[in-house]
Amino acid sequence: KAGVTQTPRYLIKTRGQQVTLSCSPISGHRSVSWYQQTPGQGLQFLFEYFSETQRNKGNFPGRFSGRQFSNSRSEMNVSTLELGDSALYLCASSPAATDTQYFGPGTRLTVL
Amino acid sequence: EDQVTQSPEALRLQEGESSSLNCSYTVSGLRGLFWYRQDPGKGPEFLFTLYSAGEEKEKERLKATLTKKESFLHITAPKPEDSATYLCAVRSNFGNEKLTFGTGTRLTIIP
Repeated sequence: KAGVTQTPRYLIKTRGQQVTLSCSPISGHRSVSWYQQTPGQGLQFLFEYFSETQRNKGNFPGRFSGRQFSNSRSEMNVSTLELGDSALYLCASSPAATDTQYFGPGTRLTVL
Repeated sequence: EDQVTQSPEALRLQEGESSSLNCSYTVSGLRGLFWYRQDPGKGPEFLFTLYSAGEEKEKERLKATLTKKESFLHITAPKPEDSATYLCAVRSNFGNEKLTFGTGTRLTIIP
C-alpha cells in the first residue's frame, strides 16, 4: 500500500507571499493531521481533519489554514509568510481520528 | 495541558552497547502513547503504540514498555543503522485529543 505523499517536497518563498501544500493520505485513511517541525520547537500540531471537517486546531495564527476534500486529500495554506514560518511541514494520516498516525516525508519550506 | 519530556536529549553508544531512552508524560487520561523514529530530513516512521500500563511491544532490537507515568524504549545490541532521533507522543482521552510530541532523543551508534 502506498504511503502518505506530500507535494512539493521543497519550496522557497519570500516574506509576504502565500503557499499551498498538498497531502495525499494512505488509501482508506479518512483522517489527516498537519504538523510544523522546527529545530527549536519540535513537532507542533497545526490541525486535524476527518471526513472533510476540521476536528482539532493547534495554537497557530489564522494565517495557517487547511481543508480536506471528499477523497481525503488535504491542503494547508499559509498566507503572508514570515521568516519564522521556515520549517518542515509534515502530514500524517490515520484510518480514524484517534488511530495511530502515519507520516509523509514532509515539505521543506524556506522563507527568505 | 498534556506534556511529554524525553531524556536524554542525545545519546552516543558503541555498536552492541544496549541502553534505554525515557519518555515521561503528563496527560488527562491516556488514550495511547506512540514511539516514532525519524531520520534527518524525513518524516517520522511509526514504531509502536502502547495503550495501558504494563504493556510491552517488541520489534527487532527495540522494546517499548509503559508505566502510568513514563515509557521506555530499550535498544538491545544496537547497530549503526539504528542511529536516528526517537520521538515519543501521547494522545489524551479528553480535550481535543491531539497528539503531543516530546522533543526527541538523538541516538548515535558508533561502529
